[in-house]
Amino acid sequence: EVQLVESGGGLVQPGGSLRLSCAGSGFTFSSYWMTWVRQAPGKGLEWVANIKQDASEIYYVDSVKGRFTISRDNAKNSMYLQMNSLRAEDTAVYYCARAPHSSSSSWGQGTLVTVSS
Amino acid sequence: QSVLTQPPSVSAAPGQKVTISCSGSSSNIGNNYVCWYQHLPGTAPKLLIYDNNKRPSGIPDRFSGANSGTSATLGITGLQTGDEADYYCGAWDGSLSAYVFGTGTKVTVL
Repeated sequence: EVQLVESGGGLVQPGGSLRLSCAGSGFTFSSYWMTWVRQAPGKGLEWVANIKQDASEIYYVDSVKGRFTISRDNAKNSMYLQMNSLRAEDTAVYYCARAPHSSSSSWGQGTLVTVSS
Repeated sequence: QSVLTQPPSVSAAPGQKVTISCSGSSSNIGNNYVCWYQHLPGTAPKLLIYDNNKRPSGIPDRFSGANSGTSATLGITGLQTGDEADYYCGAWDGSLSAYVFGTGTKVTVL
């Protein structure tokens, strides 16, 4: 069974940092693009970043460029999102997803990040 | 602010049909595949349609997708109470080099 489990969310002060992890199981992790998507309270889905199988291609939404870094460790079947210089508007549930735009789409349950003083 | 525009809400009685529009541009829908997602806040989003009109395994044929130029449409027939959720279109935007989701549409079963 395909599983994606996010972790690392929590409460952080503005300007702080947090590292999210996404652990995949039940599939060949290294064969898929991976993606982070978030949903702020009362808002819609927002694509954050994605990373190719071998990390040779990475893309970010403009609002996180220079602050967030997506990475992966295929040996550990894991993807990460390093979030620095966090702002109140980064408060959201963060979902990790495997190939979310294809027939292989699979999503985690999400982890909540709250940026507040 | 999303570059894909959807109506905020649609509603219909059980058994009826609803359609949800998604309006974009040549940099996204006009030249890239569209996906449709069903989402209940706090739960994992579910892919309903990919590549404009294909359904992943397990998605009933009550859900259908269609494209015309720079717009896309999701159709849901035989509406059920379990279909109450938020629905989002999505597509890669070549100008932004980013994936964009629509503004989202809440489906209510009357």
